[in-house]
Amino acid sequence: SAVISQKPSRDICQRGTSLTIQCQVDSQVTMMFWYRQQPGQSLTLIATANQGSEATYESGFVIDKFPISRPNLTFSTLTVSNMSPEDSSIYLCSVPASGDTQYFGPGTRLTVL
Amino acid sequence: GESVGLHLPTLSVQEGDNSIINCAYSNSASDYFIWYKQESGKGPQFIIDIRSNMDKRQGQRVTVLLNKTVKHLSLQIAATQPGDSAVYFCAESSQSGATNKLIFGTGTLLAVQP
Repeated sequence: SAVISQKPSRDICQRGTSLTIQCQVDSQVTMMFWYRQQPGQSLTLIATANQGSEATYESGFVIDKFPISRPNLTFSTLTVSNMSPEDSSIYLCSVPASGDTQYFGPGTRLTVL
Repeated sequence: GESVGLHLPTLSVQEGDNSIINCAYSNSASDYFIWYKQESGKGPQFIIDIRSNMDKRQGQRVTVLLNKTVKHLSLQIAATQPGDSAVYFCAESSQSGATNKLIFGTGTLLAVQP
């Protein structure tokens, strides 16, 4: 199974600022996924990041708010821009695994004051 | 650690009992289903999966049952242990082009009483 790390593990930020979350995988993968998990809620897919192309965003998520970079096959970043308290969530990256499942990183716990 | 189960349905069982966690899925076209376990402060961990051409699959202490007629999925945990305490999510795979997106259910908090 892939080993996935995320940085930072948690952060407390002021409204109006931006935070960039990093996701590192120990093997090369074509696709990486970014999810949001709001407090007490399930996971919602934000976007799919393919290396060498623009990320594909799900309904309700836009590139200006959640810009994504995918510079190589083992790394991706998600930026949460112009944050508000409603952005307080756990942000998770994942990669495809055998079959059609996905392996998840440990998550980044974001609190916006 | 941070809890993700504050607003989730809760199943409370005694240690040693069997647990059954249920999930209703929405898309009749989904053909792949996964159960994940999420412990406090961690990301979801794969438990077991099943494809729509099966109605039952067994793993170590876990069994997944799929009823396509009523779009229902269940996870059975035998001899539940305190280490099984976590939030459990079902996910369905919605295949769209070359990307297999996962759609997650609402989750159930399993609380194992010693």
